[in-house]
Amino acid sequence: QTVVTQEPSFSVSPGGTVTLTCGLSSGSVSTSNYPSWYQQTPGQAPRTLIYSTNTRSSGVPDRFSGSILGNKAALTITGAQADDESDYYCVLYMGSGLVFGGGTKLTVL
Amino acid sequence: EVQLLESGGGLVQSGGSLRLSCAASGFTFSSYAMSWVRQAPGKGLEWVSAVIDSGDDTYYADSVKGRFTISRDNSKNTLYLQMSSLRAEDTAVYYCAKAVVPAARGYYYYGLDVWGQGTTVTVSS
Repeated sequence: QTVVTQEPSFSVSPGGTVTLTCGLSSGSVSTSNYPSWYQQTPGQAPRTLIYSTNTRSSGVPDRFSGSILGNKAALTITGAQADDESDYYCVLYMGSGLVFGGGTKLTVL
Repeated sequence: EVQLLESGGGLVQSGGSLRLSCAASGFTFSSYAMSWVRQAPGKGLEWVSAVIDSGDDTYYADSVKGRFTISRDNSKNTLYLQMSSLRAEDTAVYYCAKAVVPAARGYYYYGLDVWGQGTTVTVSS
């Protein structure tokens, strides 16, 4: 079974730029996988950031952007802020349903 | 304001059953596909199931196929998840989530939009 892969952890300095990726254990991610991205802080419900590869959800600041980079989906955060410190999950459509990646824990320090 | 409110969670023995509900408000419920997503303690998110706007088509993760049934009552603006043959590994917070676009503009897999606060299911072995 194909696994959706994400970096387990990442760190970024305040004001810096970070790109989180979402890949497949076998094959390439494309727009046909409709990648979406979610942010979650401990004890809270997820918050939708990006859907259908690069469309920002309502109210999400434009420093969050989605794209396809090479064979992976990517979430780029520019001008990182302290409250961006969260877990980030991608989801891919795999033909028979949705599959979440394992999540990336982002530290801002 | 768009809101989703889950209920029905609790403690159940292995092999038992439970029905979760998700009450929707603030949007035209019958126009959107809906999903259930769960999160085991200390673990990541896992998509569980989806149902299209009419309720005619349903989709399941392999881990719950044959044990869980998703349904909806558009007259009551409510989504359900009937869970049976529960296992310890089904222990999780269960979230309902709305599709990001109405069915007329896209499919459930385009993305998830508004999320409920979750209801906790604990399966004891």
